[in-house]
Amino acid sequence: QVQLQESGPGLVKPSETLSLTCTVSGGSITTYYWSWIRQPPGKGLEWIGSLYNSGSTIYNPSLKSRATISVDTSKNQFSLKLTSVTAADTAVYYCARSVYGSRTNPYYFDHWGQGTLVTVSS
Amino acid sequence: DIVMTQSPDSLAVSLGERATINCKSSQSVLYSSNNKNYLAWYQKKPGQPPKLLIYWASTRESGVPDRFSGSGSGTDFTLTISSLQAEDVAVYYCHQHYSSPVTFGGGTKVEIK
Repeated sequence: QVQLQESGPGLVKPSETLSLTCTVSGGSITTYYWSWIRQPPGKGLEWIGSLYNSGSTIYNPSLKSRATISVDTSKNQFSLKLTSVTAADTAVYYCARSVYGSRTNPYYFDHWGQGTLVTVSS
Repeated sequence: DIVMTQSPDSLAVSLGERATINCKSSQSVLYSSNNKNYLAWYQKKPGQPPKLLIYWASTRESGVPDRFSGSGSGTDFTLTISSLQAEDVAVYYCHQHYSSPVTFGGGTKVEIK
């Protein structure tokens, strides 16, 4: 049974870089699509971006190139960096898996991490 | 971007009664070459991640009780809980993965009347 676990700082200062890691167990990260999704308090879900084929990445244009997803196959982990954060980036951040996808987007998310709350505040 | 609009925002249903949630996409999410609707439904409880219930608009995920069903095609979709149980209290989200960026509906909160 695949499991995902997010880790990283819970507090980030405005204008700095948010960094999170998702550790995958019970399956290899070299297959499928691996995504970051966030949910601001009291708001809906927003797809940030995805990794597939052990290195290809696709992103939501709404993040305006602030997001970067990378992979460490030796540790079965993938990571998110989000630069120049503001209070609007305060959210619960989830990592998730999709079995299928295309060159432009992942399909439905069948496994999710528990989520980690990141607060942007000075 | 495809906008997903859910209705109602919330509903209260008696135990054992039917709950119906609607989701409308701003453009069709039906892929004609394979006749699949690129639409999924999730259940989200407080403090938990979303749980996949339905994919391809009507295929139930393994382990999901059969009181949950999905229907619809093109731009109009429905999630039905045939007999509401106490453990079904949650927020439900629809999700289109037809085109990038994938987007979610605003959610429908289901409560017990």
